[in-house]
Amino acid sequence: EAGVTQSPTHLIKTRGQQATLRCSPISGHTSVYWYQQALGLGLQFLLWYDEGEERNRGNFPPRFSGRQFPNYSSELNVNALELEDSALYLCASSTRRGPRDTQYFGPGTRLTVL
Amino acid sequence: GEDVEQSLFLSVREGDSSVINCTYTDSSSTYLYWYKQEPGAGLQLLTYIFSNMDMKQDQRLTVLLNKKDKHLSLRIADTQTGDSAIYFCAEKGSGNTPLVFGKGTRLSVIA
Repeated sequence: EAGVTQSPTHLIKTRGQQATLRCSPISGHTSVYWYQQALGLGLQFLLWYDEGEERNRGNFPPRFSGRQFPNYSSELNVNALELEDSALYLCASSTRRGPRDTQYFGPGTRLTVL
Repeated sequence: GEDVEQSLFLSVREGDSSVINCTYTDSSSTYLYWYKQEPGAGLQLLTYIFSNMDMKQDQRLTVLLNKKDKHLSLRIADTQTGDSAIYFCAEKGSGNTPLVFGKGTRLSVIA
């Protein structure tokens, strides 16, 4: 069974541009989570989508947004890029059945803002 | 708010046991997780424990949970150089709350 996939692997942008990152969950998983892993800051929760709707949002500005498609894949959009947006962006998926909510992670997209 | 704390670094010799510790603050935690991250990679789920358990063993991994002290540990027996990675502790509260991660413990295994 295929795991969580993310594209692209690497993305280089300049300040002020927009970035779009994509995630495909494990087959049968309806929830998708986005995290930012900046150097020295651990994993910061960004967004959580389940069944096409945004369920929760971390403490990030509105220029971080996303959506979940009917096939449960998801997109993260970052507008007006700033240098401090450079980070590894990780996507995770889960089944959301029962309280366990075990999340399985993709390999990440490394975003570099110049 | 919820918080998860871990020590940042641990160094052990190959063949010794490693113990990585984690403390959390959310008393409504339902599940607690350990993830492993190798350089340049995503997070790999290692194991998890339900909050009404106090121990779980899975091959070389032993998880101990002290719910009273809100303390979680991961013991790796016979640590190998391939165990060198960053280990993240995470806790899941009740309801529609996301996982809360610690900052990770970097384990270095010396041959």
